[in-house]
Amino acid sequence: RKEVEQDPGPFNVPEGATVAFNCTYSNSASQSFFWYRQDCRKEPKLLMSVYSSGNEDGRFTAQLNRASQYISLLIRDSKLSDSATYLCYLKAAGNKLTFGGGTRVLVKP
Amino acid sequence: DAGVTQSPTHLIKTRGQQVTLRCSPISGHKSVSWYQQVLGQGPQFIFQYYEKEERGRGNFPDRFSARQFPNYSSELNVNALLLGDSALYLCASSLVAALDTEAFFGQGTRLTVV
Repeated sequence: RKEVEQDPGPFNVPEGATVAFNCTYSNSASQSFFWYRQDCRKEPKLLMSVYSSGNEDGRFTAQLNRASQYISLLIRDSKLSDSATYLCYLKAAGNKLTFGGGTRVLVKP
Repeated sequence: DAGVTQSPTHLIKTRGQQVTLRCSPISGHKSVSWYQQVLGQGPQFIFQYYEKEERGRGNFPDRFSARQFPNYSSELNVNALLLGDSALYLCASSLVAALDTEAFFGQGTRLTVV
């Protein structure tokens, strides 16, 4: 089993719709969580950190469920520009830094 | 302010050769980490350095090595290149090496081994 798993997608989303996807992890020592977005053949860019109580940044909402060991990202009112691959990134004690394989989102008019 | 800069942006090498990739972190950032991203996959952690010391290492063979300089820039070296080493190599910098610190990525070096 992979340490960090994401549904690779693609998630085909109509413009204006809501989409949500998860990232599950097996290392219970994971302490810090982040979502990055990556456009085709570009570097990952930080989207948001994920806090224990959940957090929101505009149309984006991130949640952490430690009991079930997953984080989630919800995108409301999807824009064409939201089309990208979304990567979860986890940090665990001992400086274990792990990315998921990414979830591809395609927003269509 | 300049972000993370990596050089070169593209590189073609032959099997068996050695390569050195360079990274300059954001000004004031003291931690650098390296990742390998094969097409269609997420980045894989190679090394993390903080204050010139190795702080973490991923599951990569000893052909991969790195170092960090007093100005916090870093080099990644790969010896005896294999075709499978072809990938995008990403460098990320962060203020410190603490777990809750956000990491910012450079544009990467695209290495092709032929």
